[in-house]
Amino acid sequence: NAGVTQTPKFRVLKTGQSMTLLCAQDMNHEYMYWYRQDPGMGLRLIHYSVGEGTTAKGEVPDGYNVSRLKKQNFLLGLESAAPSQTSVYFCASSYGQSDHLNTEAFFGQGTRLTVV
Amino acid sequence: GDSVTQMEGPVTLSEEAFLTINCTYTATGYPSLFWYVQYPGEGLQLLLKATKADDKGSNKGFEATYRKETTSFHLEKGSVQVSDSAVYFCALYNTNAGKSTFGDGTTLTVKP
Repeated sequence: NAGVTQTPKFRVLKTGQSMTLLCAQDMNHEYMYWYRQDPGMGLRLIHYSVGEGTTAKGEVPDGYNVSRLKKQNFLLGLESAAPSQTSVYFCASSYGQSDHLNTEAFFGQGTRLTVV
Repeated sequence: GDSVTQMEGPVTLSEEAFLTINCTYTATGYPSLFWYVQYPGEGLQLLLKATKADDKGSNKGFEATYRKETTSFHLEKGSVQVSDSAVYFCALYNTNAGKSTFGDGTTLTVKP
């Protein structure tokens, strides 16, 4: 059971470089999310998507872009990386609003990104 | 907006001790409430949930009751084990907003 898969697991970038984090889920979930996790700050929502072709801003969207061209994939892009974006990034997915009894999120293993 | 406030950590207990991690929330409507656990080097995974007032979620000896009157969802376990050492996150899902809000996490260390 793959669940939610994130690639890559680790990455080191130089300031100003760009990269894309890929998230794939095989559970036919409608909703997908990108979070960043920083010490003492818990999980903060960057962007999310409520369905294929839709995206919305979360708490901390600046410096990131996302795309949801296919239902199973949710991409997070950093156009010009900054040291402040050093963090652990988690992707998650959930069934969506149509099933309010099953709204728990399923998480990937995380991507540890360091920007130097 | 929605918010979740958790008891600050870290929490250090001896094996077989009683655990309580407090969680309170503010939200519009009637959210679902969750506890997630994160083991070292892994993503979060669902520990238990409750979808309406007075529901009790339970799993692996952990319990939490949805208290609407006090807007709380405290996590308890009667006898912790070393293997329970992890970070615990309280969260809510607001069906109107279509997204989850997480607390800051509480680190639990259980010593033998």
